[in-house]
Amino acid sequence: QSALTQPASVSGSPGQSITISCTGTNSDVGNYNIVAWYQQHPGKAPKLIIYEGSERPSGVSNRFSGSKSGNAASLTISGLQAEDEADYYCCSYEGGSTFFGGGTRLTVL
Amino acid sequence: QITLWESGPTLVKPTQTLTLTCTFSGFSFRTSGVGVGWIRQPPGKALEWLALIYWNDDKRYSPSLKSRLTITKDTSKNQVVLTMTNMDHMDTATYYCAHARRRYHFLTGYYGELDYWGRGTLVPVSS
Repeated sequence: QSALTQPASVSGSPGQSITISCTGTNSDVGNYNIVAWYQQHPGKAPKLIIYEGSERPSGVSNRFSGSKSGNAASLTISGLQAEDEADYYCCSYEGGSTFFGGGTRLTVL
Repeated sequence: QITLWESGPTLVKPTQTLTLTCTFSGFSFRTSGVGVGWIRQPPGKALEWLALIYWNDDKRYSPSLKSRLTITKDTSKNQVVLTMTNMDHMDTATYYCAHARRRYHFLTGYYGELDYWGRGTLVPVSS
């Protein structure tokens, strides 16, 4: 059963870039890069911002990008804006089931 | 435009069975590759995937909750129903339903990518 580890919090100043990691194992993230990322503002439903590791849905800013190295997937947000302050969740799949990471709170200073 | 909304009880007592309905528009179970999933989020905590049903009635469940969950669909009504038995206060959460696109990777098989979500419904469990 997959377990995805994310840092509890990250922070950055407007205009900076930040990266959120999502660490799995060589049986999931390390083996295939189909990680999805979701953005969730307080009191709102999650929004898909990255799928299949690095693809952006239509309408999602190109300031959001996804990548993978070894057993870890990463979400990078460039040109940080106040509106990016939110919780971010990674998500992977195994055996037909879906697994979420513990979430990362992004604070824009 | 894909829209989903969840409906269910405003309060559930411990040991009762929870029944949630997801009603949607903008897509149909008559379309190949379509699915609807359920996800929950306890207050202040992370998302947890619960179950998913596809257009062909293929059903998938969270391994840790499988014994308590049942997911069904009504194609003519554009609805998906999730039941969860033996509710406990630890099941207090916002429950979301979401549209899923069935995808395939040769190393893990089919999976459902959740792309459009409902607003969620808060289900408190209390006596």
